[in-house]
Amino acid sequence: GAGVSQSPSNKVTEKGKDVELRCDPISGHTALYWYRQRLGQGLEFLIYFQGNSAPDKSGLPSDRFSAERTGESVSTLTIQRTQQEDSAVYLCASSLGGRSNTGELFFGEGSRLTVL
Amino acid sequence: LAKTTQPISMDSYEGQEVNITCSHNNIATNDYITWYQQFPSQGPRFIIQGYKTKVTNEVASLFIPADRKSSTLSLPRVSLSDTAVYYCLVGPMDSSYKLIFGSGTRLLVRP
Repeated sequence: GAGVSQSPSNKVTEKGKDVELRCDPISGHTALYWYRQRLGQGLEFLIYFQGNSAPDKSGLPSDRFSAERTGESVSTLTIQRTQQEDSAVYLCASSLGGRSNTGELFFGEGSRLTVL
Repeated sequence: LAKTTQPISMDSYEGQEVNITCSHNNIATNDYITWYQQFPSQGPRFIIQGYKTKVTNEVASLFIPADRKSSTLSLPRVSLSDTAVYYCLVGPMDSSYKLIFGSGTRLLVRP
């Protein structure tokens, strides 16, 4: 599709399990973002990738959270040893980035994570 | 990155004009102002962006005073479907940067 695709759309897991969330950005978008949104709250920045530069990981809440990106394509957000407070919607967004950047982010529909 | 401050919530009625003001006192010379709209269970979507004075598109208008320390998103004649959370962001466009969202303004449009 032409938009940002995220999977799974819903994930229920048990406390202590690891989860992987996937994001397929729009083709040609060099910038990719992950945000976390708890129920009724605003978006919390997690990590930002721009091309082949080192990612900005300043928003990751703990060392249980990590993210990878293959070149300028797919990204995976991994949460190890999940806790109940990790329950949230995880949103991925992409943008043109670099000199072509218009400041417009295109968001996916999100992955809703529920930790029991 | 300039920090933004918006009202937490606003109420309106169908057919009214709604103005949401965002404060960004520390905005930098090369920062642009961008507004996003988020419906329940969806990711935010871009509404409008501006640098100074006034910008208008088919959805909204954005008013930016000369000192650029605030901006006002104006939604003309709102309908029930405009009920959403509205986020104001500031940041440069001439290079890549991370975008920080605040808590946004929760707009409720009543019949």
